[in-house]
Amino acid sequence: IAGITQAPTSQILAAGRRMTLRCTQDMRHNAMYWYRQDLGLGLRLIHYSNTAGTTGKGEVPDGYSVSRANTDDFPLTLASAVPSQTSVYFCASGRLAGGTDTQYFGPGTRLTVL
Amino acid sequence: GQNIDQPTEMTATEGAIVQINCTYQTSGFNGLFWYQQHAGEAPTFLSYNVLDGLEEKGRFSSFLSRSKGYSYLLLKELQMKDSASYLCAVLNSNYQLIWGAGTKLIIKP
Repeated sequence: IAGITQAPTSQILAAGRRMTLRCTQDMRHNAMYWYRQDLGLGLRLIHYSNTAGTTGKGEVPDGYSVSRANTDDFPLTLASAVPSQTSVYFCASGRLAGGTDTQYFGPGTRLTVL
Repeated sequence: GQNIDQPTEMTATEGAIVQINCTYQTSGFNGLFWYQQHAGEAPTFLSYNVLDGLEEKGRFSSFLSRSKGYSYLLLKELQMKDSASYLCAVLNSNYQLIWGAGTKLIIKP
């Protein structure tokens, strides 16, 4: 692994289903982030983690949950998907907590909820 | 509220110079970032400004005026590969990044 990876690349999901988007980084970065990107809107922060074992809510956390059991992994779970969660999801990481450092983005997951 | 304003789309000619503006109104300021995003790909870091003035990095330069809540990204000697969206983001007083919707730059031969 080099950098930050996400899985799956894309997914079509029935409404009401549970889904976990995976994110793994091998840069030993402290901070990790989940964003969603919708056409015509800026990236919006869903959840973040400044270090392993801690998480925080971003701008649009409702309907999503995260965990940070170790430094490398930061999965995002949709407990019961709804069509408004159709979006492109990006995971990112940064060396320093607090967003002051460059963020490195994964390739994204395209999620369609029907 | 907090907002970042950028033009939605700009068109420029290969070999020319283009300036992409960004104005912001945020709760506090701890720095401004520019990222490049090619269609269907992830954003990648271009520049970071926290003090007023111009930061030059090869063909790309970024300018910041904190008193005016204003930044611009200057791209020189445009190449076709510069066709992409350019995202402006401001780190506010809570150390959260507020992102603009991005400026889609179209380069014509």
